[in-house]
Amino acid sequence: QLQLQESGPGVVKPSETLSLICTVSGGSMSGDSYYWGWIRQPPGKGPEWIGTIYSSGDTYYNPSLNSRVTISVDAPKKYLSLRLTSVTAADTSVYYCARGFNHGPVYFDLWGQGTQVAVSS
Amino acid sequence: QSILSQPPSASGTPGQRVTISCSGSSSNIGSNFVYWYQQLPGAAPKLLIFKNNQRPSGIPDRFSGSKSGTSASLAISGLRSDDGAEYYCASWDDSLSGVVFGGGTKLTVV
Repeated sequence: QLQLQESGPGVVKPSETLSLICTVSGGSMSGDSYYWGWIRQPPGKGPEWIGTIYSSGDTYYNPSLNSRVTISVDAPKKYLSLRLTSVTAADTSVYYCARGFNHGPVYFDLWGQGTQVAVSS
Repeated sequence: QSILSQPPSASGTPGQRVTISCSGSSSNIGSNFVYWYQQLPGAAPKLLIFKNNQRPSGIPDRFSGSKSGTSASLAISGLRSDDGAEYYCASWDDSLSGVVFGGGTKLTVV
């Protein structure tokens, strides 16, 4: 069955750019019924939505991160990417990629295991 | 401070029915669907309820959701020890044009 796996640097220096990849295995990323998102969870806090990309290519970002975040997808190569610029300690979180289905913009039915990212000099 | 408000904790005994509330506003719960996620320690969130009261395939009918005005509730009946987890509500917010989550409710089964 479809599986998602996040990968990236465990530590990023302040003011640098965080880049994460979500690799999809066991199935296809194609299909108009699906969308893909990134969600993060700071230590001891609830999830925070980062953004979503639809099969049309349309992207929606959290307004609080909008100017710093870029999400893209390469369906043939089966990966989703996240780029977050000018990171600070507040960006320290577990980062999850997730698949959404056409039951509204919050229907994330498949998640990766998450990858821990610490922002530290 | 989360956009959606949840009580930080809840508890119940095995077999009991517990409810977890989620309070929002007219720009989120009041005009959009509510979703509920369960998160076990060290795991990713898992979708429990979508569109206020629908269960994805594989979610037992012990879990149910409801919505009234700008508030929503998750009910768990026949409480089991493995229901002990963090529960989050979520919705779309028209003012923010984005997904918002609650701060979470830690459910303890005593």
